[in-house]
Amino acid sequence: DGGITQSPKYLFRKEGQNVTLSCEQNLNHDAMYWYRQDPGQGLRLIYYSQIVNDFQKGDIAEGYSVSREKKESFPLTVTSAQKNPTAFYLCASALGTANTEAFFGQGTRLTVV
Amino acid sequence: QQPVQSPQAVILREGEDAVINCSSSKALYSVHWYRQKHGEAPVFLMILLKGGEQKGHDKISASFNEKKQQSSLYLTASQLSYSGTYFCGTETWEYGNKLVFGAGTILRVKS
Repeated sequence: DGGITQSPKYLFRKEGQNVTLSCEQNLNHDAMYWYRQDPGQGLRLIYYSQIVNDFQKGDIAEGYSVSREKKESFPLTVTSAQKNPTAFYLCASALGTANTEAFFGQGTRLTVV
Repeated sequence: QQPVQSPQAVILREGEDAVINCSSSKALYSVHWYRQKHGEAPVFLMILLKGGEQKGHDKISASFNEKKQQSSLYLTASQLSYSGTYFCGTETWEYGNKLVFGAGTILRVKS
């Protein structure tokens, strides 16, 4: 079955450590997105990619990095520069033309202690 | 650049209607609507592309006023299953595929 998979579902890290969240899709979608979800703030865009080897900053990119070496994969690294990394992270993908629905993964809940 | 949604929250009894609004300061190419249940991924409801377009299925419909850069989601004769957080997502002529979401509207339907 086609879909978008995020792993792990829960992640705990110590403050100061970098951590990478995985996002894989087998929908043959060109566009991929990373969102951060905090209570009352909706889905805030961190990074997005419209094509392999290219990505753009979203509205809250500071303290995060991404790569898009393969069409299927769009990992997100939360660096130690991110001041408040504890959040729910959602990955999404879409066909790529600016009028198609986005499919979301089940999310990763990151807790930094 | 987040679109602005209103109201922030609404409580309904089964069978009542609700309207959720979404507005943007940018010229919009498309408006998406999604619903998220607690602890789950957002699920696509519909997308509107043209000014004046209206869409719907079952008792959930939406309209898009391109000139006013606004969209509204209409929930008619609400059911318990409609409970969740509703998000509008927007794509602008300026940024194309950059899909940005509002803060969400929490809808609770009571029996």
